Amino acid sequence: QLQLQESGPGLVKPSETLSLTCSVSGGSINSGSHYWGWIRQPPGKGLEWIGSIYYSGSTKSNASLQSRITITADTSKNQFSLMLSSVTATDTAVYYCARGLQDFINQKGWFDPWGQGTLVIVSS
Amino acid sequence: DIVMTQSPDSLAVSLGERATINCKSRQSVLYSPNNKNYLAWYQQKPGQPPKVLIYWASTRESGVPDRFSGSGSGTDFTLTINSLQAEDVAVYYCQQYYSTPVTFGGGTKVEIK
Repeated sequence: QLQLQESGPGLVKPSETLSLTCSVSGGSINSGSHYWGWIRQPPGKGLEWIGSIYYSGSTKSNASLQSRITITADTSKNQFSLMLSSVTATDTAVYYCARGLQDFINQKGWFDPWGQGTLVIVSS
Repeated sequence: DIVMTQSPDSLAVSLGERATINCKSRQSVLYSPNNKNYLAWYQQKPGQPPKVLIYWASTRESGVPDRFSGSGSGTDFTLTINSLQAEDVAVYYCQQYYSTPVTFGGGTKVEIK
């Protein structure tokens, strides 16, 4: 059974870089038919797709965040990571990692399963 | 970006009754060459991550009870929960995957009346 687990600091100072890792178990991120995504949810609000990566290293990201996002994959560790630079209070959210299904070439599809999520608070 | 609008924001339904949630996309998510609607529905219970219920607008994910059904095409979609159970209390989201960025609706909270 595929499982994903986010890890990283729960508190980040404004203007610094948020760094999270998603560890995948029960399956390989080298799977050619899936891709891997990051989605966030501000407290009490809806869902926002941040970006995705295919195991080859190809990435897609939300243009609203694109200049601040770096997504990488480490196939040897079966992990993928998110870095979001120059954070502000508006980046406070629960960050989820998830497996993407359907169109792995264009990285457009639905997400299943999701990690439990990790709350990141941006505050000094 | 394709804006997804859900209605209502919340609804209260008696146990055993039907809940109907609407999702409207600002542009069509129907891909004519394969006649598929690029739309999914998720359920998010308190303190849990979202769980996919339906994709391709009407295909139920394995293990999802058949009281959940999706319908619609183009720009207008509906998630129906027949015979609402206590465990169905959650927020429900629609998501389009027709184009990037994939986008989600604002969510509909379903409660027991």
